[in-house]
Amino acid sequence: EVHLVESGGGLVQPGGSLRLSCAASGFTFSDHYMDWVRQAPGKGLEWVGRSRNKANSYTTDYAASVKGRFNISRDDSKNSLYLQMNSLKTEDTAVYYCARGGSGSYYSYRYWGQGTLVTVSS
Amino acid sequence: EIVLTQSPGTLSLSPGERATLSCRASQSVSSSYLAWYQQKPGQAPRLLIYGASSRATGIPDRFSGSGSGTDFTLTISRLEPEDFAVYYCQQYDTSITFGPGTRLEIK
Repeated sequence: EVHLVESGGGLVQPGGSLRLSCAASGFTFSDHYMDWVRQAPGKGLEWVGRSRNKANSYTTDYAASVKGRFNISRDDSKNSLYLQMNSLKTEDTAVYYCARGGSGSYYSYRYWGQGTLVTVSS
Repeated sequence: EIVLTQSPGTLSLSPGERATLSCRASQSVSSSYLAWYQQKPGQAPRLLIYGASSRATGIPDRFSGSGSGTDFTLTISRLEPEDFAVYYCQQYDTSITFGPGTRLEIK
């Protein structure tokens, strides 16, 4: 059974940094793209970015709103995905979900984690 | 970026009624790379439909998806009490974007 468990959320001041983790199990992690999606309180879903799989050299893409501030990485030996968030802004306050992508470029999200809340506030 | 627009913003219906939710894309979505999700308060989204019309595993057949190009529809044939939630469309043709959602509430 596929499981995704996020951790690392919390309260951080504007301009600060935070690193989120997503622990995956129940599937061959290295075969899959892995994404981060966020949801601000009371708002809709926003794609944050993705890490491609081993076959696609682990390259990454980011939403314009986080490009240059956020960095996605992964450790296939630990079945883990990471989101390093720097220069945080109040508008980055959201629940952050990791979601399993496909093995190729076009996919929907069959599996999601439970989310971890990041609050950016002074 | 492909922008998705969902209508209506809120839909008020009674159990047993039929629900029709719309998702319109700012440009054509190739190969119907369009999905629908259901989200309830405090929960992660749940995949209902992918490829515009294919039901995800375990999704009841009262949920159906249709459409192509720029216009897509999610239909719930007979509403059950557990269907009242927020519904999002997502395109995964060019990068990934989500629509703003339709809130389906009990009338």
